[in-house]
Amino acid sequence: GNSVTQMEGPVTLSEEAFLTINCTYTATGYPSLFWYVQYPGEGLQLLLKATKADDKGSNKGFEATYRKETTSFHLEKGSVQVSDSAVYFCALSDQDRDDKIIFGKGTRLHILP
Amino acid sequence: DAGVIQSPRHEVTEMGQEVTLRCKPISGHDYLFWYRQTMMRGLELLIYFNNNVPIDDSGMPEDRFSAKMPNASFSTLKIQPSEPRDSAVYFCASSRGYPLGTQYFGPGTRLTVL
Repeated sequence: GNSVTQMEGPVTLSEEAFLTINCTYTATGYPSLFWYVQYPGEGLQLLLKATKADDKGSNKGFEATYRKETTSFHLEKGSVQVSDSAVYFCALSDQDRDDKIIFGKGTRLHILP
Repeated sequence: DAGVIQSPRHEVTEMGQEVTLRCKPISGHDYLFWYRQTMMRGLELLIYFNNNVPIDDSGMPEDRFSAKMPNASFSTLKIQPSEPRDSAVYFCASSRGYPLGTQYFGPGTRLTVL
């Protein structure tokens, strides 16, 4: 079945550092890929998405490119801020299979001032 | 728009008691989801509705859990009887369309069963 694997946290970085959170997926069809973010005490909110291979999703300085050849959707940001501290979830959905959205286990990010 | 509203935000109860969690989705959204989040298991989809009809409840852990959606603006998740292992944060989310529609999550209900 479909699945999502993302790097375990926590990830701790200093402000203005470069961020990469790895995400790889397994899917039998052609899924859409998502990154959701959960700030402390809140629910998840969509950060960005990509619906087909080679698409790049971007929002708030974050980017992720849908790489079919490596089955990856890594999240990157060039210069992180303290306000980016949160838990980040990679997710996929496979509409062709009428499948549920499957979330990864989440990666906690701490940004130090 | 007010966003997805959940109540209560925190619930502490004793084992064996009935617990009811409530959710008001965003107006105009046709899908509603209930999730459970724990450190050990991460985020789990319990059940989802389309136009008030339950579509997939395969994630509901056992018969002690039940969910209803009597109308487009209200849903409940009930646990009876509750057990300590039910302690978690329960999220309600709604979307227009699925699975590509963006899911909007409520703030969650933190449930503690003693």
